[in-house]
Amino acid sequence: KQEVTQIPAALSVPEGENLVLNCSFTDSAIYNLQWFRQDPGKGLTSLLLIQSSQREQTSGRLNASLDKSSGRSTLYIAASQPGDSATYLCAVTLIYNQGGKLIFGQGTELSVKP
Amino acid sequence: GAGVSQSPSNKVTEKGKDVELRCDPISGHTALYWYRQSLGQGLEFLIYFQGNSAPDKSGLPSDRFSAERTGGSVSTLTIQRTQQEDSAVYLCASSQSFRNTGELFFGEGSRLTVL
Repeated sequence: KQEVTQIPAALSVPEGENLVLNCSFTDSAIYNLQWFRQDPGKGLTSLLLIQSSQREQTSGRLNASLDKSSGRSTLYIAASQPGDSATYLCAVTLIYNQGGKLIFGQGTELSVKP
Repeated sequence: GAGVSQSPSNKVTEKGKDVELRCDPISGHTALYWYRQSLGQGLEFLIYFQGNSAPDKSGLPSDRFSAERTGGSVSTLTIQRTQQEDSAVYLCASSQSFRNTGELFFGEGSRLTVL
């Protein structure tokens, strides 16, 4: 059974710091991996999608990497800002599942202090 | 519509009552998904639709839960004889097709509280 784990569960940093959020998964037979952001009381916003054949994706100050063989992904946030405060979730889709059945980690709650 | 719309945004009900949660996906999106987010369990997959059919219902927690989709658009998630453990936020998402999970758009959820 695929399990997705995110470390740390919570993180508090001062504004301007670069930071790394970690995601690990137990079954390397993934179709893709996604990072989402969730603000309190809101739905999820997709940040980055990495296909299983890719190593990384970048969007602005965000960079996500994927090492399928070791079952790990990292989300790097450069020059963090208070507006980055949110819960970050990673999710995988397995290749032998129908699309859309994402398996989520428990999330990392990020707080960026001004 | 412009985004995925869910209603009601908040629902408080008494144990044993039935509830219906509605999801209106982005226009033209053929795939629709229901997830549940609760404190102890995180985000769990419930069911997905491709058009009006539901190829994967494996996530529905019990036979008290059912969902339907009509006209390839609006979906309703029904919970019968609600229990306190059903309290959670129910999130709906849609994408252009079930293979295109990279374009997954979520609604803001329906928060269900069972007293």
